[in-house]
Amino acid sequence: QVQLQESGPGLVKPSETLSLTCTVSGGSISSYYWSWIRQPPGKGLEWIGYIYYSGSTNYNPSLKSRVTISVDTSKNQFSLKLSSVTAADTAVYYCARDQYSSSPTYYYYGMDVWGQGTTVTVSS
Amino acid sequence: DVVMTQSPLSLPVTLGQPASISCRSSQSLVYSDGNTYLNWFQQRPGQSPRRLIYKVSNRDSGVPDRFSGSGSGTDFTLKISRVEAEDVGVYYCMQGTHWPPGFGPGTKVDIK
Repeated sequence: QVQLQESGPGLVKPSETLSLTCTVSGGSISSYYWSWIRQPPGKGLEWIGYIYYSGSTNYNPSLKSRVTISVDTSKNQFSLKLSSVTAADTAVYYCARDQYSSSPTYYYYGMDVWGQGTTVTVSS
Repeated sequence: DVVMTQSPLSLPVTLGQPASISCRSSQSLVYSDGNTYLNWFQQRPGQSPRRLIYKVSNRDSGVPDRFSGSGSGTDFTLKISRVEAEDVGVYYCMQGTHWPPGFGPGTKVDIK
């Protein structure tokens, strides 16, 4: 049974870079897409972006200029970096496995496995 | 971007009674292949979201059959045939037909 675990600092200063890692256990990171999603306090869900195990990425246009997602298949991990953070980036950050395919046929069924989430607060 | 709306945003329900949540999109969610990529998620208090239904009406493994999804085009519905205490939480619809994927604002279900 695949499990995901987020890790990283819970407090980040304004204007700095938020960095989180998601470790995949119980299965291989290969052959899947992996996403980051966030949830500000008391609010709804926002998809940040995904990465394929091969390294190809796609980001939400609303965050694209500040987001980098990378993968390390040797460690079965993928990571999120969000630069120039402000208080508006305070949220619970989730990693998840995405059921998506663009080729040869398209489908998008959303996230079928989620991590427990990690709270990141942006404050000086 | 496609805008997802849900109604109601808050839904007090009586145990054992049915519940229905509406989800609407600002554009048709029918993809060029004829499929409709509308998914539903449940988030219980203090927990991560969990997918309940994908592609409008397909229940995930382990999801009780009291949950059902239906709809087409721009109008979709999640129904709970008989609400149980464990169904308390926030329900989100999510579209995957248009880029970027996006969630609705959520509907909070609690017990009267």
